[in-house]
Amino acid sequence: DGGITQSPKYLFRKEGQNVTLSCEQNLNHDAMYWYRQDPGQGLRLIYYSQIVNDFQKGDIAEGYSVSREKKESFPLTVTSAQKNPTAFYLCATKGEGTGELFFGEGSRLTVL
Amino acid sequence: KQEVTQIPAALSVPEGENLVLNCSFTDSAIYNLQWFRQDPGKGLTSLLLIQSSQREQTSGRLNASLDKSSGRSTLYIAASQPGDSATYLCAVRPTSSNTGKLIFGQGTTLQVKP
Repeated sequence: DGGITQSPKYLFRKEGQNVTLSCEQNLNHDAMYWYRQDPGQGLRLIYYSQIVNDFQKGDIAEGYSVSREKKESFPLTVTSAQKNPTAFYLCATKGEGTGELFFGEGSRLTVL
Repeated sequence: KQEVTQIPAALSVPEGENLVLNCSFTDSAIYNLQWFRQDPGKGLTSLLLIQSSQREQTSGRLNASLDKSSGRSTLYIAASQPGDSATYLCAVRPTSSNTGKLIFGQGTTLQVKP
């Protein structure tokens, strides 16, 4: 089944802990993105990667880190330095040619 | 700085009605504009992508138009159904971005009543 798989769907974290959200794709797309969605604020770009072994900060990268060791995978780590990590996190890929963005089902992180 | 606005924030219509959702953007220098649907607690589903050289795109009961010069796009939904209830988001890709980054509006939440 082709697409983007995000896991876990729900995650609870205590303050001071790092957590890693998984994003895997089998669409063979080069570019991948992490967005954060908060009520009333729309989607904001955290990090993006246009190719394996390369990634760039987006608009709100502070307190987050990523890696891109494989084309299929773009995990996001939410570190303890992120002051307000409770949010819905969305991973996306960009199709070649048209530049259309495709999204995963999201991961909801709650800090207790 | 590119800003995307969607008005109204919420809309409720009876089943069967034709409706229009609005999206406006402040800078006409865009590669494309994309409309998405989001169900509660779910990811975004791409509905239509309009390239900057195009005026409209159609898919089934959906028709999206683009007027770059006025900074506007509309999503027309024909013969609305309760299953169309969701939040609809529009997003633009600025020409200043070679990364594929999108700028999103805050969405219009649609409720179609049976």
